[in-house]
Amino acid sequence: EAQVTQNPRYLITVTGKKLTVTCSQNMNHEYMSWYRQDPGLGLRQIYYSMNVEVTDKGDVPEGYKVSRKEKRNFPLILESPSPNQTSLYFCASSLIGGFGTGELFFGEGSRLTVL
Amino acid sequence: ILNVEQSPQSLHVQEGDSTNFTCSFPSSNFYALHWYRWETAKSPEALFVMTLNGDEKKKGRISATLNTKEGYSYLYIKGSQPEDSATYLCAFIRDTGNQFYFGTGTSLTVIP
Repeated sequence: EAQVTQNPRYLITVTGKKLTVTCSQNMNHEYMSWYRQDPGLGLRQIYYSMNVEVTDKGDVPEGYKVSRKEKRNFPLILESPSPNQTSLYFCASSLIGGFGTGELFFGEGSRLTVL
Repeated sequence: ILNVEQSPQSLHVQEGDSTNFTCSFPSSNFYALHWYRWETAKSPEALFVMTLNGDEKKKGRISATLNTKEGYSYLYIKGSQPEDSATYLCAFIRDTGNQFYFGTGTSLTVIP
């Protein structure tokens, strides 16, 4: 089954404790991206990757890191989480990014709470 | 930061009513406009990908139109059903093709 898998789905952590949210896709997609969803705001892009070893900042990259060492994986790293990073996070992948019919396929979301 | 606006923010309609909502986006540097359907406790799923001015797409009772010159897209639902209840998101893709800018969504509730 074609899917984007995120882990963990739910996490409560404390300020400053490094954490990683994993994202994996099995569709051989070139493009992967991370978004955060906050009340009253649309999905905001954190980072995206057009291909292996190619990553770039979205609109809200502060406090986050990513890596793309393999095509299928795109982890989101919070080196020192703060309460303002409490949010619902989505990973998404696309065959060719925004070009052509590059619709996004979303993971199930990861709800993160930073105390 | 690029602005994509959706209206109305929320909508309640009776089963069987037809409805429509709007996505407004910058008319410059346009590459594509996506519509997604997001049901509660699930992930957003793509409805339409639109790239050409004047594009019209249809999937069952749902259709969409695109005007890139004036920067808007309409989503129409004909004969709304309770299962249409969801948040509908639009996403603007600029001509670099690498960034997606989402609106805040229109929350639709269809009352049986």
